Amino acid sequence: AQTVTQSQPEMSVQEAETVTLSCTYDTSESNYYLFWYKQPPSRQMILVIRQEAYKQQNATENRFSVNFQKAAKSFSLKISDSQLGDTAMYFCAFMKRETSGSRLTFGEGTQLTVNP
Amino acid sequence: EPEVTQTPSHQVTQMGQEVILRCVPISNHLYFYWYRQILGQKVEFLVSFYNNEISEKSEIFDDQFSVERPDGSNFTLKIRSTKLEDSAMYFCASTTDSYSGNTIYFGEGSWLTVV
Repeated sequence: AQTVTQSQPEMSVQEAETVTLSCTYDTSESNYYLFWYKQPPSRQMILVIRQEAYKQQNATENRFSVNFQKAAKSFSLKISDSQLGDTAMYFCAFMKRETSGSRLTFGEGTQLTVNP
Repeated sequence: EPEVTQTPSHQVTQMGQEVILRCVPISNHLYFYWYRQILGQKVEFLVSFYNNEISEKSEIFDDQFSVERPDGSNFTLKIRSTKLEDSAMYFCASTTDSYSGNTIYFGEGSWLTVV
């Protein structure tokens, strides 16, 4: 079974600064995907960024980037130029590559607060 | 942008009552899911559904729960004889192809309160 661990329950950052959220995972799978989802106060789950484990290049989406270290089983999220709208709970998630209906396994979440 | 829609957004029910949560997945998606999030806790997988049958279910998804796709658009989660511990946010989700790691899109959730 896969496990995902987010060791930072809460973090805060000043607007316009950079923050990094940590995530580690444990799996015996070689083919899988990793995700960061954002859950603002509205509680909807919104995809932030996605990484394919077989790709060495770190994924980037505008101000969001990841540092994927496959050997260390680490998948951190960097948010640059933080904005007030980035305030949310951030969940790291793992999905193994299967033929059908593969589930997401989530970490405990990190509550990020962006301060003005 | 296409969305997963869920109804109701919030439901309060008496313990022991049956509840049906409804979802309309994105139209060209083939895989459907229900996840649960108890307040303050992580999001947990309940069940996945493909080709009109359950693909996988978690240990949480016991005989109290059932899912169904009664027509070509709706996907429902039924909870029989609700318990206090069933109080949670229930998320419906869908994707085109989980094998390729395609994005799983979530609805806005149905908040269930059992009293």
